[in-house]
Amino acid sequence: DGGITQSPKYLFRKEGQNVTLSCEQNLNHDAMYWYRQDPGQGLRLIYYSQIVNDFQKGDIAEGYSVSREKKESFPLTVTSAQKNPTAFYLCASSSLGENTEAFFGQGTRLTVV
Amino acid sequence: GESVGLHLPTLSVQEGDNSIINCAYSNSASDYFIWYKQESGKGPQFIIDIRSNMDKRQGQRVTVLLNKTVKHLSLQIAATQPGDSAVYFCAENTGGFKTIFGAGTRLFVKA
Repeated sequence: DGGITQSPKYLFRKEGQNVTLSCEQNLNHDAMYWYRQDPGQGLRLIYYSQIVNDFQKGDIAEGYSVSREKKESFPLTVTSAQKNPTAFYLCASSSLGENTEAFFGQGTRLTVV
Repeated sequence: GESVGLHLPTLSVQEGDNSIINCAYSNSASDYFIWYKQESGKGPQFIIDIRSNMDKRQGQRVTVLLNKTVKHLSLQIAATQPGDSAVYFCAENTGGFKTIFGAGTRLFVKA
């Protein structure tokens, strides 16, 4: 079945460590996104990519990095520079046409211990 | 600035009643609006969308109303069921692919 897969579902990180969250889609979508969600809050855009080997900062990119080496994959690295990384991270993809909805993965809950 | 906000952070309804979730948006250039449902611990799922050239769109048990004059969007759920309990987000798109999400409304359905 077509879809978007995030892994792992739960992730624990020690302070000072970098950690990478995986996002894979087989929907043949050109655009991919990473959002952060804090409890009781909406979704804030971290990074997005329209095409392979290109990506743009969203509203809260500091402390995060991404790569887009393949159309299907858009991994997110949470670096030690991110001061408050504990959150629920959501990956999404969409086509590039106007007025198209985003399809979301099931999320990764990151906890710093 | 661009923003999408919700009037009510929580909504509690009796099973079988109709639910109405409201959303205000501030960008008059927005031309596409989407409602998402997010269950606990999961990613948001598309419910229904509406383009700015429409003022009403109906789906299965859901209706979205768009009032461009006052920049207001609502989601109506008919005969609310326990499985409808979730957080509902409205989102807007200004013609590109970047979507702006509101803070969300949590819907509780009482049995």
